[in-house]
Amino acid sequence: GQSLEQPSEVTAVEGAIVQINCTYQTSGFYGLSWYQQHDGGAPTFLSYNGLDGLEETGRFSSFLSRSDSYGYLLLQELQMKDSASYFCAVKAAGNKLTFGGGTRVLVKP
Amino acid sequence: DAGITQSPRHKVTETGTPVTLRCHQTENHRYMYWYRQDPGHGLRLIHYSYGVKDTDKGEVSDGYSVSRSKTEDFLLTLESATSSQTSVYFCAISASSNEKLFFGSGTQLSVL
Repeated sequence: GQSLEQPSEVTAVEGAIVQINCTYQTSGFYGLSWYQQHDGGAPTFLSYNGLDGLEETGRFSSFLSRSDSYGYLLLQELQMKDSASYFCAVKAAGNKLTFGGGTRVLVKP
Repeated sequence: DAGITQSPRHKVTETGTPVTLRCHQTENHRYMYWYRQDPGHGLRLIHYSYGVKDTDKGEVSDGYSVSRSKTEDFLLTLESATSSQTSVYFCAISASSNEKLFFGSGTQLSVL
């Protein structure tokens, strides 16, 4: 089976940088994804890493190290609207996506 | 936004009753998924489908069944609802080789 570990909560101020780490154990690893979910809303896709390295999308970046079974999501220039839960997810054999427990990010003024 | 509709959006039912949740898509995506979300557990896969009449179990499939008779519809059935199945249920879709999942708005199910 698969298991993912990520911190449960992170608090930061507007304009700051937050890094959310995700470590995983899985068989047949294909890639690591990140999703954002605001309270009461549906998860929305943020990024995907299939290969080692950094992927940048605006203020958000995601990193993957397959050899370390580790990745992170970097949120830069934090804004109040970034207050949400962030989930890492791994894709393994069978096109199943397994999610971590989520990290709640609270942005303070 | 991807065309995914879940119905109903909210449902309250009693223990022991059957319940069916519907997911309808207009994207013609091959893959469809049912997840449940509970505090402290993130999103857990119940069942998924990789084509019409092709389904497979996820990590928390006990007590649930699914059917996909058309590309656009994926039904989740709780044969005999229990209080432990009180949760928010999300349907999601994806294209065959696309890692991006699009989620529906969710169904809040309460089993009393």
